[in-house]
Amino acid sequence: QSALTQPPSVSGSPGQSVTISCTGTSSDVGGYAYVSWYQQHPGKAPKLIIFDVSKRPSGVPDRFSGSKSGNTASLTISGLQAEHEADYYCSSYAGSYTYFFGTGTKVTVL
Amino acid sequence: EVQLLESGGGLVPPGGSLGLSCTASGFTFSSYTMTWVRQAPGKGLEWVSSLSGSGSTRYYADSVKGRFTISRDNSKSTLYLQMNSLRVEDSAVYYCAKEVAATFTFDYWGQGILVTVSS
Repeated sequence: QSALTQPPSVSGSPGQSVTISCTGTSSDVGGYAYVSWYQQHPGKAPKLIIFDVSKRPSGVPDRFSGSKSGNTASLTISGLQAEHEADYYCSSYAGSYTYFFGTGTKVTVL
Repeated sequence: EVQLLESGGGLVPPGGSLGLSCTASGFTFSSYTMTWVRQAPGKGLEWVSSLSGSGSTRYYADSVKGRFTISRDNSKSTLYLQMNSLRVEDSAVYYCAKEVAATFTFDYWGQGILVTVSS
């Protein structure tokens, strides 16, 4: 078992868009439509922001969007704001009721 | 309002045991698979274990298999994690999380409880 690969950090200025990648294998990201994304502020619990690759839970603004191509999923934050500065984790179902999380990406708003 | 509240964390020596609890409210507890996820200090998230709503099916990460036991009491809306043969690398904040039915997604998380394994 191993974690999904994410860039350690991404940054952008307010109003810009940033994209975070999440690379796995054909046994997890590429094999299932069960990729989700979580936002975690320091000292807080993770918060679900994307599920089933591209769906947003009620209350999550549409500036968050998700997609997938092959073994790589992506999260895009449009119209970056100070409140978006946090750690972001992807997660994928990997069969036999196991899950992998990504290595995490710190988003910095410049 | 869905709420998950973990308890039972603390300091334990290597080789010791500790039990965690997660008390749920605001939803029909017995209808949902529940999961434990942990996060070592300064590190990423790691799935630990999941338990079906009925309690009949359990799943574990290889890193804890044979040492941890997940269980639940649906009459008390409470999820448990019994941790035995603890190792230094088990030190982490442990979160309980509710799974969204049939999507392998965690929509609600507790605030987390710290477990420290150290001599």
